[in-house]
Amino acid sequence: DTEVTQTPKHLVMGMTNKKSLKCEQHMGHRAMYWYKQKAKKPPELMFVYSYEKLSINESVPSRFSPECPNSSLLNLHLHALQPEDSALYLCASSQGEGTGYSQPQHFGDGTRLSIL
Amino acid sequence: DAKTTQPPSMDCAEGRAANLPCNHSTISGNEYVYWYRQIHSQGPQYIIHGLKNNETNEMASLIITEDRKSSTLILPHATLRDTAVYYCIPQSLNNNDMRFGAGTRLTVKP
Repeated sequence: DTEVTQTPKHLVMGMTNKKSLKCEQHMGHRAMYWYKQKAKKPPELMFVYSYEKLSINESVPSRFSPECPNSSLLNLHLHALQPEDSALYLCASSQGEGTGYSQPQHFGDGTRLSIL
Repeated sequence: DAKTTQPPSMDCAEGRAANLPCNHSTISGNEYVYWYRQIHSQGPQYIIHGLKNNETNEMASLIITEDRKSSTLILPHATLRDTAVYYCIPQSLNNNDMRFGAGTRLTVKP
């Protein structure tokens, strides 16, 4: 069991659909992340939120829209996706900057997204 | 960000020690060496990290060379459940943008 919960575990959607991925953690972490992972490739960073503010956007297309409504929740809104967007989407969290010590990221098990 | 070089794959016999090397010759002075692993169909899992000194926890040991240009992750008694992709990632204290390299696919064989 992981301490970062992602829902749904699997999602199939058409290119015209709108859907959202959800990520939740209750460890009091103040940094949250979205990664995209294609098959047999390493995870690629998409977005970083620090203290509920977007701090890094790795030039992700606007059809992916992140949202951090509070310190425990992270959403990824999807609209008009392409077949090449099919991948495993991973969420992670960490304690956040300014703690004075190095800290690891905690990952969920991801949402496997298929675009038809 | 420092670049890393890891062998693409390694095999290890069950019960033996698995030694996974990582080259990070461009690591900067404020970057820690982190190790994660990803078991099939799961998210990455943190294993261990260190700055200069060798470290040990319940999962593994981390040996960092004195010049900090390379490190070795040691799983002392590998089991079949240790089969995974292992990632070595330099990470600075104040940055939270973590970049994964290609990693090493470790296969533990009976």
